[in-house]
Amino acid sequence: QKEVEQNSGPLSVPEGAIASLNCTYSDRVSQSFFWYRQYSGKSPELIMSIYSNGDKEDGRFTAQLNKASQYVSLLIRDSQPSDSATYLCAAFYGGSQGNLIFGKGTKLSVKP
Amino acid sequence: ETGVTQSPTHLIKTRGQQVTLRCSSQSGHNTVSWYQQALGQGPQFIFQYYREEENGRGNFPPRFSGLQFPNYSSELNVNALELDDSALYLCASRSTGSPYEQYFGPGTRLTVT
Repeated sequence: QKEVEQNSGPLSVPEGAIASLNCTYSDRVSQSFFWYRQYSGKSPELIMSIYSNGDKEDGRFTAQLNKASQYVSLLIRDSQPSDSATYLCAAFYGGSQGNLIFGKGTKLSVKP
Repeated sequence: ETGVTQSPTHLIKTRGQQVTLRCSSQSGHNTVSWYQQALGQGPQFIFQYYREEENGRGNFPPRFSGLQFPNYSSELNVNALELDDSALYLCASRSTGSPYEQYFGPGTRLTVT
């Protein structure tokens, strides 16, 4: 059974702080990992993808992947109230016929 | 915004009825996947279409079926609706090869009463 686990939160951070979101996955086969942001009542929006061990930075976002520990994380620097949303971690399985397995999401609240 | 569009936005149906949801993929994307997202849960994979054929399916019963058309647009059909089918239905498109990034449409909110 392929699973992606996330702490459901809510995670509350003050404005300007670093928000740290974590995710673990059960099956080592996956090589591709994604973070989606979902505002209430909206659809998921792809914000980061990561395929290799280490860090990947894009603006205020940094994704981290540790395949040995089967662990993925997302850091949001200088958090803003507009970052308040649910963050979904997803692992891709199955190659060209594959699909995403999602965690339940972590709700982030950034307090002004 | 992605180039993926879905219709309708909202739908209310009665238990036992049938429903058809529609999706147009982003330009250049030939693979379309459908996901169901219940309240408070992550999206769950229903099935995927490539070259007008289903080439992957999640743990959903046969009353969930679909089509893909030559222009890569797609339909999701659900027969014999049940109360538990109430959810946000998401369509995602991608190109076939790596890196498998999928882009979601705005979704269709289905309520079954």
